[in-house]
Amino acid sequence: EVQLVDSGGGLVQPGGSLRVSCAASGFGFSQYAMTWVRQAPGKGLEWVAGISDGGGGTKYADSVKGRFTISRDNSQNTLHLQMNSLRAEDTAVYYCAKGWIGYPSGWCHFDSWGQGILVTVSS
Amino acid sequence: QSALTQPASMSGSPGQSITLPCTGSSSDVGTYNLVAWYQQHPGEVPKLIIYEVNKRPSGVSSRFSGSKSGSTASLTISGLQAEDEADYYCSSYAGSGTPCVFGGGTKLTVL
Repeated sequence: EVQLVDSGGGLVQPGGSLRVSCAASGFGFSQYAMTWVRQAPGKGLEWVAGISDGGGGTKYADSVKGRFTISRDNSQNTLHLQMNSLRAEDTAVYYCAKGWIGYPSGWCHFDSWGQGILVTVSS
Repeated sequence: QSALTQPASMSGSPGQSITLPCTGSSSDVGTYNLVAWYQQHPGEVPKLIIYEVNKRPSGVSSRFSGSKSGSTASLTISGLQAEDEADYYCSSYAGSGTPCVFGGGTKLTVL
């Protein structure tokens, strides 16, 4: 059974940094693109960042480019999102999501999701 | 990259069929047959119900079907049931730049 467990959220001041992580199990992690999707309170889904199966390719939404970094450790089956220069508008539940098999479906079809982790940016 | 456009809310009666639209552009829906639909109940994580415009993952009810015409994709739910009351989001592949864009979501109420 595919399992994605998100961790690392919390309260951070504007301008601060935070790293969220996702522990994956139950599938061949290194064979799939992975993505972070966020959902602000009461709002819709927003694609944030994606990374290729091998980790050599990364993409970012314009809203986070230059501030967030997605990475993965295929030896540990973990996905990370390093968030710097955080703003109030980054407040959201962050989900890691497993991409569908193949390219380019894997960048935009997500068949398994973590439980989500709340990141609150506030002073 | 602009978000896809979905009506904020729609409603239907049990047993009816309803079609939820998702309007994009020539940069996403109009070019790629890579539209997905997700169902999200309150307090739950999104669930993939349609991928590649009209394919259903294993275990998803056949009452859900997808289609596309030009830059507008649609999700049709037939035989509406109370359990279908949820938020529905569309997404589309948008090329190699920012590869994925979501719609704002439609809150479906089953009256």
